[in-house]
Amino acid sequence: EAQVTQNPRYLITVTGKKLTVTCSQNMNHEYMSWYRQDPGLGLRQIYYSMNVEVTDKGDVPEGYKVSRKEKRNFPLILESPSPNQTSLYFCASSVRGSVYEQYFGPGTRLTVT
Amino acid sequence: GNSVTQMEGPVTLSEEAFLTINCTYTATGYPSLFWYVQYPGEGLQLLLKATKADDKGSNKGFEATYRKETTSFHLEKGSVQVSDSAVYFCALRANQFYFGTGTSLTVIP
Repeated sequence: EAQVTQNPRYLITVTGKKLTVTCSQNMNHEYMSWYRQDPGLGLRQIYYSMNVEVTDKGDVPEGYKVSRKEKRNFPLILESPSPNQTSLYFCASSVRGSVYEQYFGPGTRLTVT
Repeated sequence: GNSVTQMEGPVTLSEEAFLTINCTYTATGYPSLFWYVQYPGEGLQLLLKATKADDKGSNKGFEATYRKETTSFHLEKGSVQVSDSAVYFCALRANQFYFGTGTSLTVIP
């Protein structure tokens, strides 16, 4: 089954404790990205990657890191989480082509206390 | 810059009512336009898309037409069902994706 998976689905952590949210897709997609969803703000892009070893900042990259060492994986790293990073995070992937139709993971609910 | 503006919610309709959710965009060039739907507790799913002016996207009874002259991509459905209750996001794809803030729809029997 074609899908985007994220782990963990739920995470409660404390300020300053480094964490990684994993994202993996099995569709051989070149393009992957991370979003955060906050009430009243919709989805905002954090980082995206056009292909292996190619990453770019989205609209809200501060406090986040990403890496793209393999085509299928695109982990999101929070080196020192803060309470304002409490949010719902989505990973997405798509093929490169004339229309970039994204496939979304199920989401990761992160709470930073 | 690129941006998407969609109507504020929440929207509550009775079953079989007509639905319109307005979406307008600002973009340089000729973006592709999308409507995504998010059911409770799930990720976003593509509902429909349009890649050029005057294209009409359609799926599951929903329709939207890419109007370049009014920079709009309004979502419509002639007769909503309870199962259509969800959050709807308008989006455009230029160099990256830009999403609207989402419109929550509740359909009551």
